[in-house]
Amino acid sequence: KAGVTQTPRYLIKTRGQQVTLSCSPISGHRSVSWYQQTPGQGLQFLFEYFSETQRNKGNFPGRFSGRQFSNSRSEMNVSTLELGDSALYLCASSQGGDSNQPQHFGDGTRLSIL
Amino acid sequence: AQKITQTQPGMFVQEKEAVTLDCTYDTSDQSYGLFWYKQPSSGEMIFLIYQGSYDEQNATEGRYSLNFQKARKSANLVISASQLGDSAMYFCAMREATGFHKLVFGTGTRLLVSP
Repeated sequence: KAGVTQTPRYLIKTRGQQVTLSCSPISGHRSVSWYQQTPGQGLQFLFEYFSETQRNKGNFPGRFSGRQFSNSRSEMNVSTLELGDSALYLCASSQGGDSNQPQHFGDGTRLSIL
Repeated sequence: AQKITQTQPGMFVQEKEAVTLDCTYDTSDQSYGLFWYKQPSSGEMIFLIYQGSYDEQNATEGRYSLNFQKARKSANLVISASQLGDSAMYFCAMREATGFHKLVFGTGTRLLVSP
């Protein structure tokens, strides 16, 4: 069974640009979550989607947005990039999002802002 | 508010020895899940083990076991017979059942296994 696939693995952008990251969950998983990981703030929750609906959102500015498609694939978009957006962005999927279900993570997209 | 505390920034263990990584948590929910993840230097987060708040027995997965003490709100990870490949960051995380659908992570513990 294929794992969670994130593309691209690495990305370099400049301030002010926008970026779209992609995540394909494990087959059969309907919940997709996104996390940002930085040395200073650690792992922080961005948002979670289930059946194309955003169920929860973390404490991030509106520049961070996402969506989920009918095949459960998800995209995350960051507009007007800032230096502080440099981070490892991790996508995770689970079957339904219940507390007893582990989230399985992809390899992440490492975003660098110049 | 839910919170995870990992007080050990780094741990050092010799190959084949056992090691315990500490995790305490805070929640007002009665139903929650506790998870441990391993993150090698390459970046991917690898799920290791899960413990539910209503589980009476400690979870075990191969060389990993979770020492769950509900009254103390602790969920320590025990790795038996450490291997060189166990060198990585280890994160404790919690997920509440009240519909927030997110994992809250601790700050992590870096484990180094020496030959």
